[in-house]
Amino acid sequence: AQSVTQPDIHITVSEGASLELRCNYSYGATPYLFWYVQSPGQGLQLLLKYFSGDTLVQGIKGFEAEFKRSQSSFNLRKPSVHWSDAAEYFCAVGAPNDYKLSFGAGTTVTVRA
Amino acid sequence: EAEVAQSPRYKITEKSQAVAFWCDPISGHATLYWYRQILGQGPELLVQFQDESVVDDSQLPKDRFSAERLKGVDSTLKIQPAELGDSAMYLCASSPTHFGTASTDTQYFGPGTRLTVL
Repeated sequence: AQSVTQPDIHITVSEGASLELRCNYSYGATPYLFWYVQSPGQGLQLLLKYFSGDTLVQGIKGFEAEFKRSQSSFNLRKPSVHWSDAAEYFCAVGAPNDYKLSFGAGTTVTVRA
Repeated sequence: EAEVAQSPRYKITEKSQAVAFWCDPISGHATLYWYRQILGQGPELLVQFQDESVVDDSQLPKDRFSAERLKGVDSTLKIQPAELGDSAMYLCASSPTHFGTASTDTQYFGPGTRLTVL
């Protein structure tokens, strides 16, 4: 079964600085990969997803992620964070012909002025 | 923009009581999911419906949890009796396509129901 590790529980970043959130997956073949964001008290919103093709994926709100098969990683990046990016971010992995998504434990992002 | 609706948003109950959560997916979405999210963890799938049929409830504690989607539209998740360890956020999600392609779907999440069991 597939699984996801998000090594960073909490990251603090200054407004305007760059952000990178790490995600490592475990799966024997090419996985389907997702990043979701959850604001306090809210449900999850999809930022971006990777199924195949170009390994650099663009998402909403200025986020991008890069799939690196050699490192089993799918890290999320944003060049310049805004205070509204403070939230919890979840990486998830799925597999072909398997409808289940396995989520990581999440990374909480705090943005300081 | 269409959204997944859930109610109530917050529920406080005492252990051994019964609770029920309701979810109305985006219109036309065939697949509906119930997740449990314990504080500090990612969501964990409890049950998945395709239309009115359960396709996976392997992680649903069936001695106390039940879920139904009678007409293939809205859904109810019930816990009876509630235990302290059931305190969590219960998330509903829906996706448009059918089983077999769901892994490539986008799952749209509702705002969740925060359950506190005292």
